[in-house]
Amino acid sequence: QSALTQPPSASGSPGQSVTISCTGTSSDVGRYNYVSWYQQHPGKAPKLMIYEVSQRPSGVPDRFSGSKSGNTASLTVSGLQAEDEADYYCSSYAGSNNLVFGGGTKLTVL
Amino acid sequence: EVQLVESGGGLVQPGGSLRLSCAASGFTFSNYWMTWVRQTPGKGLEWVANIKQDGSEKYYVDSVKGRFTISRDNAKNSLYLQMDSLRAEDTAVYYCARDAGYSGYDFDYWGQGTLVTVSS
Repeated sequence: QSALTQPPSASGSPGQSVTISCTGTSSDVGRYNYVSWYQQHPGKAPKLMIYEVSQRPSGVPDRFSGSKSGNTASLTVSGLQAEDEADYYCSSYAGSNNLVFGGGTKLTVL
Repeated sequence: EVQLVESGGGLVQPGGSLRLSCAASGFTFSNYWMTWVRQTPGKGLEWVANIKQDGSEKYYVDSVKGRFTISRDNAKNSLYLQMDSLRAEDTAVYYCARDAGYSGYDFDYWGQGTLVTVSS
């Protein structure tokens, strides 16, 4: 299984919006609406931010939103805050009881 | 409070074995699929294996099939990962995670991880 493709870095100023892409194939992102996004601060465990492309777990601010078009999923963080600075990983179900992750994007709040 | 605490990591030579454990508390362990995810130092995440609530179904990423075995003991609220024939590329922080119950491959609670280093 090949990893999903994410840009290595993204940045934005406080209050701005930033979008992180996650590109897969027609066998994973394009085929299933099972894309998730995780936030990971240094030295911490990942935290689930989005599941099933665009659903937010309880407690996740609505500044975080997800979407998908074709083989590419996206995470948008609106109204950037300093605490949003972290690594973000996407994942997608890839069929046959397999899950693939993206390589991660380091989000910097300028 | 949900807690997942991994243990058992360490330094092992190539070809060696290691058994990771994950102690769960704060929720009904037997009601959830459980998963192992690893993270290479400085790099990304990789799903390793998962196991159904009663242990009747287990799935693995291709790179560990035949070498790793996931198991659980619901009476002890514990998840395990037996790792044999270890390779340098298995070096990573290993996390246990709880399935969130949405699609089956979303994880809402994670442990803090245990580091496995495979080196001579």
